[in-house]
Amino acid sequence: DIQMTQSPSSLSASVGDRVTVTCRASQSISSYLNWYQQKPGKAPKLLIYAASSLQSGVPSRFSGSGSGTDFTLTISSLQPEDFATYYCQQSYSNIRTFGGGTKVEIK
Amino acid sequence: QVQLQESGPGLVKPSETLSLTCTVSGGSISSYYWNWIRQPPGKGLEWIGYIYYSGNTNYNPSLKSRVTISVDTSKNQFSLKLSSVTAADTAVYYCARMIAAAGTEYFDYWGQGTLVTVSS
Repeated sequence: DIQMTQSPSSLSASVGDRVTVTCRASQSISSYLNWYQQKPGKAPKLLIYAASSLQSGVPSRFSGSGSGTDFTLTISSLQPEDFATYYCQQSYSNIRTFGGGTKVEIK
Repeated sequence: QVQLQESGPGLVKPSETLSLTCTVSGGSISSYYWNWIRQPPGKGLEWIGYIYYSGNTNYNPSLKSRVTISVDTSKNQFSLKLSSVTAADTAVYYCARMIAAAGTEYFDYWGQGTLVTVSS
């Protein structure tokens, strides 16, 4: 299986901050990388697909970059509704795997 | 707007079979991959497997010996059966649509999730 490792596992930030979450794959996955946001008690929501394509309806403050093994999710100016847990997920392998998650908390 | 809704027992006894159904509304079940994903309380997401509308399946090897996913296109539903459950199978179970587009695949619609507890 392809292992997905996210860092940090949690972070504290203030409204307006620029936030970066990193995801590393155990082998090259080209650009087959998706990002999801999950709020407590809710299902995950797709933010970014194919490493850098913004899902329809997702605010432009969210962006994704990277290819191969290293990927980044950036929130350019953190808003109150962005406090949540973020997961990366690879679709390169037939066995889909997720990262362990990054919890973004209020400082 | 596509909507997915999980249904099934919230409590299953150890060694028995967990059975869940996902009903798809607002769109056809055809031409997509239909997935089950689970999340133990306080933990991350684990992909269980998918079924294509035509009936082809793909399972996570870690669960493959215990998992069966089936589809009923006439009812716009797909189902999960997980046999010989233990407490480790306690989780919120999500159904999700996976779309193949732009040269990649991703989960674009999710159900709200249903908590299944394995306990005697």
